[in-house]
Amino acid sequence: GQQVMQIPQYQHVQEGEDFTTYCNSSTTLSNIQWYKQRPGGHPVFLIQLVKSGEVKKQKRLTFQFGEAKKNSSLHITATQTTDVGTYFCAGPGAGGTSYGKLTFGQGTILTVHP
Amino acid sequence: NAGVTQTPKFQVLKTGQSMTLQCAQDMNHNSMYWYRQDPGMGLRLIYYSASEGTTDKGEVPNGYNVSRLNKREFSLRLESAAPSQTSVYFCASSRNLAGAYNEQFFGPGTRLTVL
Repeated sequence: GQQVMQIPQYQHVQEGEDFTTYCNSSTTLSNIQWYKQRPGGHPVFLIQLVKSGEVKKQKRLTFQFGEAKKNSSLHITATQTTDVGTYFCAGPGAGGTSYGKLTFGQGTILTVHP
Repeated sequence: NAGVTQTPKFQVLKTGQSMTLQCAQDMNHNSMYWYRQDPGMGLRLIYYSASEGTTDKGEVPNGYNVSRLNKREFSLRLESAAPSQTSVYFCASSRNLAGAYNEQFFGPGTRLTVL
C-alpha cells in the first residue's frame, strides 16, 4: 500500500537551534498534512499543503511541498521548549479520495534541551 | 463544543476479555476514524466511517469491529483482546465534504493494556 516515509525518527536540539523533518512518498500526493503531538497528548492539525512547490509559514514554522508533490518538509527556526513533541506528516490513503483517509508517517520526535 | 471525546481514558484487560471503546464528536462531521499508535509506528488506521451508515477497513482491522451508531458516535470493539492489542487508541473525525481532504480532529485517546 501507499507509504509515507518520515526522517529522522528522533532529533535532539539545543534551544535556539533549528530543526527540520522530512517526508517522502513513492507516489505523487494530491495534498499533505502536518500534525503535532505533544508528549502524552493527541495529534493536532498544523497545516495542509496542496500546490506543487507551495511554501507556508506559521511564525517560526515553515512548511514546503516539493515540486513533484512527492516530498515535504517542516522547518522550525530557533526552537523553543514549547516545540517538543512528535511531528507527523500525512498523505492521502490508498484508494484515491477514499473519504479523507490518511496515511501517516512514522513521526519525528523532537527533544529541545534548554 | 467538546470536540471529539473518548471513553475510557485508561483500561486494563486480561487476554480474551472483550470491551468497547466509545467515541463521539459534536462538530457534525461526516467521517470518523479509529487509529492505534505504537512506538515507532506512527498512527495506523484500524477502521473508518466515511458517513453515517458506512464503515470500511483500514490498514490493521484484524481483531476489531466497529459500529457507526449515528452521525455523532463511532465505537470500536475488541471481541477477544490479545497482548498485541496493547496500544493507544485515537478516534478522529473530519468534515470531508465531497471527498475533500479536510483536517482531522483527534480525541484524547484511550490507553489500553492487555495482560
